[in-house]
Amino acid sequence: GIQVEQSPPDLILQEGANSTLRCNFSDSVNNLQWFHQNPWGQLINLFYIPSGTKQNGRLSATTVATERYSLLYISSSQTTDSGVYFCAVEANAGNMLTFGGGTRLMVKP
Amino acid sequence: DTGVSQNPRHKITKRGQNVTFRCDPISEHNRLYWYRQTLGQGPEFLTYFQNEAQLEKSRLLSDRFSAERPKGSFSTLEIQRTEQGDSAMYLCASSLHYNEQFFGPGTRLTVL
Repeated sequence: GIQVEQSPPDLILQEGANSTLRCNFSDSVNNLQWFHQNPWGQLINLFYIPSGTKQNGRLSATTVATERYSLLYISSSQTTDSGVYFCAVEANAGNMLTFGGGTRLMVKP
Repeated sequence: DTGVSQNPRHKITKRGQNVTFRCDPISEHNRLYWYRQTLGQGPEFLTYFQNEAQLEKSRLLSDRFSAERPKGSFSTLEIQRTEQGDSAMYLCASSLHYNEQFFGPGTRLTVL
């Protein structure tokens, strides 16, 4: 099946710093989503981005489908950005999301 | 429009007991998915429904697991003869056709 790798696995930032999270996948995809998992376990949708670039406030994402990667940018980080960020893809031949291992982000005040 | 809801939010059971979880998807979403997440890992796919038809099951879904979506609306996931290894967060998601999936808050299962 499709493989999804996220980097870095852990990230510690000072409040106000910018960061880039990366997601690499091993095959063509129909769907790519970025999620933020809060401390209670809820997965919050950030972006639905099989290709191209999108922005939502301090967050933006870019997927280059031909090169099989996606990037999530967080600017001017806040302590509330802390948590785990997941990338998940739906392969062309699949009907479910395959998740990466996540990036655990801690933003210090 | 309410999101995906799941009940119960927490379940503690003794090994060998049966448990059942319920998921109510976003209204008019025809696809419903079940995932399982263990500590420190990303969610893993278990099974999905299109309307009332169960179209795919993961190898993770042993014979002790069964899922239904009888009228194409809510779904139930039953685990028979629970084992300690079943302890996990069980997540439900829904989507409209092949589009963005939205997740519920999950049911956290602890098997003692």
